[in-house]
This record gives sequence, C-alpha cells and structure tokens, in this order.
Amino acid sequence: GEDVEQSLFLSVREGDSSVINCTYTDSSSTYLYWYKQEPGAGLQLLTYIFSNMDMKQDQRLTVLLNKKDKHLSLRIADTQTGDSAIYFCAETLGGATNKLIFGTGTLLAVQP
Amino acid sequence: DGGITQSPKYLFRKEGQNVTLSCEQNLNHDAMYWYRQDPGQGLRLIYYSQIVNDFQKGDIAEGYSVSREKKESFPLTVTSAQKNPTAFYLCASSSHGGGTGELFFGEGSRLTVL
Repeated sequence: GEDVEQSLFLSVREGDSSVINCTYTDSSSTYLYWYKQEPGAGLQLLTYIFSNMDMKQDQRLTVLLNKKDKHLSLRIADTQTGDSAIYFCAETLGGATNKLIFGTGTLLAVQP
Repeated sequence: DGGITQSPKYLFRKEGQNVTLSCEQNLNHDAMYWYRQDPGQGLRLIYYSQIVNDFQKGDIAEGYSVSREKKESFPLTVTSAQKNPTAFYLCASSSHGGGTGELFFGEGSRLTVL
C-alpha cells in the first residue's frame, strides 16, 4: 500500500527535544520530506533528505533515515512554543519527485 | 512576491450547489496540485496537472473537476456529486523535471456545506 504513518499527537515541554516518527512504504522514494503546518495555513517545507543519506542536520533540526526499516524521524532540539504545529512527513511515489504521498500528520504541542 | 494565492479563504455552500475554488501561482511552475485535508487523515490528492491543458486524477477525484487552461491557474470545482465536501482544500505547485520536488502551498480554502 501507499500509506505513510505517523503518530497523531506529541506533547513536550519548552526546551526539551521533540522526536516525530514516520513510517513510509515506497523503497524507491528519491526524497523524503518534513513539512510544517501552522493553524489555518498551508504547509511549508522544513527539510528534506535524499534517499542515499542516513542523516541530515539543519540548525535545530536533525533528520534520520533508516531505509531498511523505512523509518524517518525528525528531531527538534530546544523545542520552542513557536514550534507548535502539525508536522507531515512525505515520500515521493515511485521515485517521481512531482507526486508526494503525505502522512497523517503529527500535532506537536509545546507546553511552556 | 512570488507565491500561490487561493480564494476564497472561507466558503459556505448549500447542498446541491457546485462551487469553484481558485488557485493562482506566479512562480512559473509547471505542475499544480489539489489536496484535501480532513482531521486525522492527512492530505489526500484530488487532481494534479504537470503541464497546461493536461491533468490527472489523484486518489479521491470523484465529485471534483479541474481545468488547466493557463499555466498560472488551476481552479477546482466541487460538484454536487461530492458526498462529503466539507473540508480544508490546499493547492500546491512545483517546478517540473527533477530537483528536490518541493511543493509550495497556498494558504488553503475552508469549505463548509450547510
């Protein structure tokens, strides 16, 4: 199937690290993505990782990719209240970079 | 500034009426997409278009129609045949032909059927 799965909700305290997990299905995905959606708005690309990489770090964000288990994670260091949002992982279907399959989204709630 | 504009932001419709959601982009992108978002279900692809005058059905096309007469515009019509149209609709675009495949999203249109 083409389901991309995520847990629905994560709550953390301000200053802690957040880890959002995703399981995807298409082993031929070229890129895997993390998008952020703030309330009532569209999605914005946070970061992406090429399928031949294991890890990518971008300031407070760390992406880990385990191709064997088809598992993707996003770690946010020093989580702030402004990080509260829905986070979607997405994979490219069949290696075609123009068609993305999105996960169900994880709502991150940051407690002050 | 370059971007994607969706309108209207909020729309109310009576049962049995068709409604058209507008999506315009000035990013010179070839590909455009319509997604539907429901709570707890993520984004589901309705229709997409890789080039002007061509479009393909996504996973949930029934009850929807689109056109792509201009590169900049990809309107979505929600017809009376769509059984459960109340949702948040997102339009996106991307440049064609490789690259990272990043999608650029509009701010969304929330449709409520009364």
